[in-house]
Amino acid sequence: DGGITQSPKYLFRKEGQNVTLSCEQNLNHDAMYWYRQDPGQGLRLIYYSQIVNDFQKGDIAEGYSVSREKKESFPLTVTSAQKNPTAFYLCASSPFPGLGTGELFFGEGSRLTVL
Amino acid sequence: SQQGEEDPQALSIQEGENATMNCSYKTSINNLQWYRQNSGRGLVHLILIRSNEREKHSGRLRVTLDTSKKSSSLLITASRAADTASYFCATDADDMRFGAGTRLTVKP
Repeated sequence: DGGITQSPKYLFRKEGQNVTLSCEQNLNHDAMYWYRQDPGQGLRLIYYSQIVNDFQKGDIAEGYSVSREKKESFPLTVTSAQKNPTAFYLCASSPFPGLGTGELFFGEGSRLTVL
Repeated sequence: SQQGEEDPQALSIQEGENATMNCSYKTSINNLQWYRQNSGRGLVHLILIRSNEREKHSGRLRVTLDTSKKSSSLLITASRAADTASYFCATDADDMRFGAGTRLTVKP
């Protein structure tokens, strides 16, 4: 079945460690997004990519890094520079490269907890 | 640069009742989208309404758009316990930033 797969679903990290969250899609979508969601709050845009080998910062990119070497993959690294990384992370994709031009397809999320 | 704001923040109703939630935005848009999120899950797209449309239906969902008031509403008719979720709006004008959503609880 086509869709977006995020892994791991749950992740625990010690302070000072980098972690990488995986996001893979087999929908052949051009655009991919990473959002952060904190309890009871909306989604904040971290990074987005409209095409392979290109990505842009969102509203809260500090402490995060991404790569887009393949169309189907958009991994997010949460670095030790991110001071409050405990959150629910959501990856999404869209068939259209322009922001907001089409429906977003979301993965099931990865919950990161810093111990 | 968040733009879409949902109202109310929380809504609790009995099964069978209708649920209405609202979204306001600040600048001109080409389209507005509604999404649903079950607790601990990803968002699921419900409906997209374009700026030249005033109303759109999908099953028990009815979405209206009033561009003069820069607002949209989502109506869920004959609600079910399974409709319990958070509902979010987003517009193309704010590059798909999402507000805090409306938390809907449908009591059986």
